Amino acid sequence: KQEVTQIPAALSVPEGENLVLNCSFTDSAIYNLQWFRQDPGKGLTSLLLIQSSQREQTSGRLNASLDKSSGRSTLYIAASQPGDSATYLCAVVGGADGLTFGKGTHLIIQP
Amino acid sequence: DAGVIQSPRHEVTEMGQEVTLRCKPISGHDYLFWYRQTMMRGLELLIYFNNNVPIDDSGMPEDRFSAKMPNASFSTLKIQPSEPRDSAVYFCASSLTGQGTSTDTQYFGPGTRLTVL
Repeated sequence: KQEVTQIPAALSVPEGENLVLNCSFTDSAIYNLQWFRQDPGKGLTSLLLIQSSQREQTSGRLNASLDKSSGRSTLYIAASQPGDSATYLCAVVGGADGLTFGKGTHLIIQP
Repeated sequence: DAGVIQSPRHEVTEMGQEVTLRCKPISGHDYLFWYRQTMMRGLELLIYFNNNVPIDDSGMPEDRFSAKMPNASFSTLKIQPSEPRDSAVYFCASSLTGQGTSTDTQYFGPGTRLTVL
């Protein structure tokens, strides 16, 4: 059974810093990996989707990488802002169509 | 489009009562997913539908849980009877195509926060 682990569980940094969130998964047979953002009391918003054949995806200040063979992904956030404060979830798609999620990294950006 | 719509947003009920959660997916999306989120277990897939047909319900925790999709624009998740351990946030999501074969992502509703006393 696929397991997804996210480290750290929580992170607090001053505004302006660059930071990295980590995600690992146990079964490398995935179709794609996605990073989501969840704000308190709200649903999830997709940030980046990396197909299994890709190595990275970029959107604005966000860059996600994928190393399928080692079962790892990172989400890099450049020049963090208070508005980036949220929970970031990593999810993978394996043989079926549903997503398997990590428990998330709770990020706080201090003004 | 209004996005995925869920109702109610909050539900408080007593143990033993029947609970029905509702979801309206984005128009034109062929896939609908139900997830449950708790602090202990995170987000878990309960069941998903393709063209209104249940495809995988292996995540449904017990026979007390059932889900239906009578048409392309409506789905329900029912818990009968409810128990305190069912307290969680239940999310509905929809996607245009299957996750394993495309770059299409899932679009999530705002969730229903269920509290069973």
